[in-house]
Amino acid sequence: AQKITQTQPGMFVQEKEAVTLDCTYDTSDQSYGLFWYKQPSSGEMIFLIYQGSYDEQNATEGRYSLNFQKARKSANLVISASQLGDSAMYFCAMREVLFQGGSEKLVFGKGTKLTVNP
Amino acid sequence: GAGVSQTPSNKVTEKGKYVELRCDPISGHTALYWYRQSLGQGPEFLIYFQGTGAADDSGLPNDRFFAVRPEGSVSTLKIQRTERGDSAVYLCASSTSRADTQYFGPGTRLTVL
Repeated sequence: AQKITQTQPGMFVQEKEAVTLDCTYDTSDQSYGLFWYKQPSSGEMIFLIYQGSYDEQNATEGRYSLNFQKARKSANLVISASQLGDSAMYFCAMREVLFQGGSEKLVFGKGTKLTVNP
Repeated sequence: GAGVSQTPSNKVTEKGKYVELRCDPISGHTALYWYRQSLGQGPEFLIYFQGTGAADDSGLPNDRFFAVRPEGSVSTLKIQRTERGDSAVYLCASSTSRADTQYFGPGTRLTVL
């Protein structure tokens, strides 16, 4: 079964500094997708970034980048130039790609609470 | 454009009552997912619709939970004989296809007293 592990329950960072949020995953599948979502206190899950298992380059989206190390089964999120509005819960998730059909449900980690200090 | 919407935003009910939670996906999104998020946890998959049919309901915890999507757009999650353990945030997500990024709604916070 797929599993996502986020070992940092909470992280603190100073405004304008960079921060790395850890995510490791476990799967026996060759084809899969990795996602990061942000969940502010309002509760909505906001999509940040996606990495496919066959993508050779690390994904980037503005201030977000994904440090994908396939051999280590890690997909860490890097946020550069942190802003006060980045304070939120961050969830790493995996999607199994099923070529034979069926759902591609997401399996989530327990999340990391990021606090950005002024 | 409009995102995924969910109603109500909050629902308080008594143990044993029946509740319905509604999800209105992004227009044109054929895939729809329901997840449940308990306090301090990540969301957990409940059920997936492709069009009108439930293609995967393996995450429904028991037969008190049921979901429909009769016209391939709006979906309703139905919970019978609610229990205190059903208290959680119920999240709905939609995507353009099975393989696309899932976009989430704001969730419905269900509290069973």
